Amino acid sequence: QVQLVQSGAEVKKPGASVKVSCKASGYTFTSYGISWVRQAPGQGLEWMGWISAYNGNTNYAQKLQGRVTMTTDTSTSTAYMELRSLRSDDTAVYYCAREVAVAGSRWFDPWGQGTLVTVSS
Amino acid sequence: QTVVTQEPSFSVSPGGTVTLTCGLSSGSVSTSYYPSWYQQTPGQAPRTLIYSTNTRSSGVPDRFSGSILGNKAALTITGAQADDESDYYCVLYMGSGAWVFGGGTKLTVL
Repeated sequence: QVQLVQSGAEVKKPGASVKVSCKASGYTFTSYGISWVRQAPGQGLEWMGWISAYNGNTNYAQKLQGRVTMTTDTSTSTAYMELRSLRSDDTAVYYCAREVAVAGSRWFDPWGQGTLVTVSS
Repeated sequence: QTVVTQEPSFSVSPGGTVTLTCGLSSGSVSTSYYPSWYQQTPGQAPRTLIYSTNTRSSGVPDRFSGSILGNKAALTITGAQADDESDYYCVLYMGSGAWVFGGGTKLTVL
């Protein structure tokens, strides 16, 4: 079945960087994009950005421009999200989600299980 | 800055019908925004319910339906059950690969 499996929880100090992985299985990785979405404790979902697994094109949310980089490794069907210069308000669960775009439809499915990133001194 | 609006909370009686909405701070939601809806229970990843306005994702019960009502996207639950008590999020496609989530609606079934 189609599945996204993310890397484990991370604890980082302010100013550090974190890199979260998202390994895809059950479908042709390069035929879809991957979006990253985060959720701060007790808050709603926030779209962070998207990467095409076909050609590596990206589009990042304006508020994260300059701090986030999304990449893919097609040899292992894995997407990565790196966030730099971490602050306490980056503490959140980070999700990857496959973006389906077919025949005039677009949506997210499935989602990874989430990765908790805690930023604390 | 585009803001997607949702009711912060809603309550429905078991067996009742509830409609959650998803609007824009300025302008109307249309099918061109590919509105989709996701259900999230505490500690879990979101689950896809509805995509492209009104298409149910695989395995989603038919008591969940999506539509455009007036100038908003809408998620209707007909015959609400106790396990429908969750947070519900809509998201709209803004073009060029960009999406904006609504703030979510906390649905209580009681």
